[in-house]
Amino acid sequence: DADVTQTPRNRITKTGKRIMLECSQTKGHDRMYWYRQDPGLGLRLIYYSFDVKDINKGEISDGYSVSRQAQAKFSLSLESAIPNQTALYFCATSDSGTGGVVGELFFGEGSRLTVL
Amino acid sequence: RKEVEQDPGPFNVPEGATVAFNCTYSNSASQSFFWYRQDCRKEPKLLMSVYSSGNEDGRFTAQLNRASQYISLLIRDSKLSDSATYLCVPLSGNTGKLIFGQGTTLQVKP
Repeated sequence: DADVTQTPRNRITKTGKRIMLECSQTKGHDRMYWYRQDPGLGLRLIYYSFDVKDINKGEISDGYSVSRQAQAKFSLSLESAIPNQTALYFCATSDSGTGGVVGELFFGEGSRLTVL
Repeated sequence: RKEVEQDPGPFNVPEGATVAFNCTYSNSASQSFFWYRQDCRKEPKLLMSVYSSGNEDGRFTAQLNRASQYISLLIRDSKLSDSATYLCVPLSGNTGKLIFGQGTTLQVKP
């Protein structure tokens, strides 16, 4: 089983719909991240969280919200999806340094979202 | 200026060639640096970490120039399997967030 699991893996939706992408991890890491990837633009940070009560905006947080329900779960919501949110979304986790390498990210396999 | 900049390429090289990519960063507080490899439509995976002036792992060498704020990745004796996109990530020391460069695409040809 994957250490970082994203659901759904693929989703097609319509403009204006609410979408939630979920991420769960079994690595025991306290840091979690959401990125989106567009062709030619690399990975861009949407939100990140260093603990259950900690939420931070990344580079492109407008139009998105997140929830850190537990240490192992970090979900990304699009309240009203629009076509330019069509992208590949990655969740990632990282150790804070107590046992592993700070900064080494472990990614899920990605969630491909298409907004029509 | 973007926080992290990379030449997107593509770099097309023959097998056996030596190729180098640069990554410039704007946050002088960055203490640690990472090179990730991403295959097409797959998740990125860590290739190398750099905490001081550089790091070497087999055919791969990373060198850090703090004065000029760039980090380079050198690949010697390129293999077909090295074809991928290479992503640079400085660890921002004062925020802990991880911002990726847009990546450099390498195509190794037979």
